[in-house]
Amino acid sequence: GAVVSQHPSWVICKSGTSVKIECRSLDFQATTMFWYRQFPKQSLMLMATSNEGSKATYEQGVEKDKFLINHASLTLSTLTVTSAHPEDSSFYICSADLPRAAYNEQFFGPGTRLTVL
Amino acid sequence: AQRVTQPEKLLSVFKGAPVELKCNYSYSGSPELFWYVQYSRQRLQLLLRHISRESIKGFTADLNKGETSFHLKKPFAQEEDSAMYYCALSDTMGQNFVFGPGTRLSVLP
Repeated sequence: GAVVSQHPSWVICKSGTSVKIECRSLDFQATTMFWYRQFPKQSLMLMATSNEGSKATYEQGVEKDKFLINHASLTLSTLTVTSAHPEDSSFYICSADLPRAAYNEQFFGPGTRLTVL
Repeated sequence: AQRVTQPEKLLSVFKGAPVELKCNYSYSGSPELFWYVQYSRQRLQLLLRHISRESIKGFTADLNKGETSFHLKKPFAQEEDSAMYYCALSDTMGQNFVFGPGTRLSVLP
């Protein structure tokens, strides 16, 4: 089956620094990737849809200048949390879209835990 | 190792028929279990979680720790239920998600 990886799996950073999280589709090309955020004891929240070669589409309430998304190739999307603050501490998951004949199938990465001190 | 399996990649049923989407898991501890649904070309949505023991859109799922299963059921399928369904687990803090491969449900008229 298709595999999606994320790197790093866990990162700790100081407040005010920027952190980049990578999402890769290892054995397929994904024109569309999604970034989710997981708050403790809550559901996944879609942050943005990342489209290869074009600007990401952000969900309402998500700051595009804070959460920079770059989908530079068909196998890589990056999420950069700029000027991170403790409230950005969360679990971030990406998924990649694999179009099928009649529907799209999503494959999820293992997630990245971000802790901002 | 943490793992979620959904043995059926595709499941077709007729409208009005009962439907059961299977989900089994392996986890060292007490996970939280979820079902997510994705309708055609729409965003992923939470359908239900085991801790709330609720019924959404007529779907229910019971956590069976003995069988390590969390099967999703609905007594009478509707055409609008056609979608991709993902079973997932997380730790008790709602982190470290593991998703199953998904089951495509097709409800035929």
